[in-house]
Amino acid sequence: EAQVTQNPRYLITVTGKKLTVTCSQNMNHEYMSWYRQDPGLGLRQIYYSMNVEVTDKGDVPEGYKVSRKEKRNFPLILESPSPNQTSLYFCATRPYWQETQYFGPGTRLLVL
Amino acid sequence: GENVEQHPSTLSVQEGDSAVIKCTYSDSASNYFPWYKQELGKRPQLIIDIRSNVGEKKDQRIAVTLNKTAKHFSLHITETQPEDSAVYFCAAPPGETSGSRLTFGEGTQLTVNP
Repeated sequence: EAQVTQNPRYLITVTGKKLTVTCSQNMNHEYMSWYRQDPGLGLRQIYYSMNVEVTDKGDVPEGYKVSRKEKRNFPLILESPSPNQTSLYFCATRPYWQETQYFGPGTRLLVL
Repeated sequence: GENVEQHPSTLSVQEGDSAVIKCTYSDSASNYFPWYKQELGKRPQLIIDIRSNVGEKKDQRIAVTLNKTAKHFSLHITETQPEDSAVYFCAAPPGETSGSRLTFGEGTQLTVNP
């Protein structure tokens, strides 16, 4: 079954404690992206990757890191989380030949 | 970068009525305009999209229109049903980088009352 998975789905953490949210896809898609969703602000792109070892900043990259060592995985790293990073995070993927993005189930993060 | 504005932020209609959501964008080079639907607690899913070389696209009860001169595009839902209740997002890419980067509107909460 074609899917995009994210882990964890829910996370409560404290300020400054490093965390990683994983995103994995089994569709062999080249393009992967991270978004955060906040009430009244819609979806804002954090980082995206066009292929392995190719990453670039989106609109709100501050406080986040990503890596793309394998085609199927695109982890989002928060080195020192702060309360303003409390949000709902979505990973999205698409193949290079199609513009439709396929979203993961979301990860709800609370930073205390 | 691209700036996308979406109106209204909330929309309530009676079942069977039509609903229209409008988005404006700033980058005249943008060439791809998708609409996503997000049901409560679910992930966004593409419902329809349009490229800049056409002015209208329809898929059953939903349609999207594009006015490149005025830099706006709209989602039209006819004969609304309760299951159409959701948050709808428009999006546009900066320049001609269609699909690589998307700037989303703030979303419209559509409520269809039975």
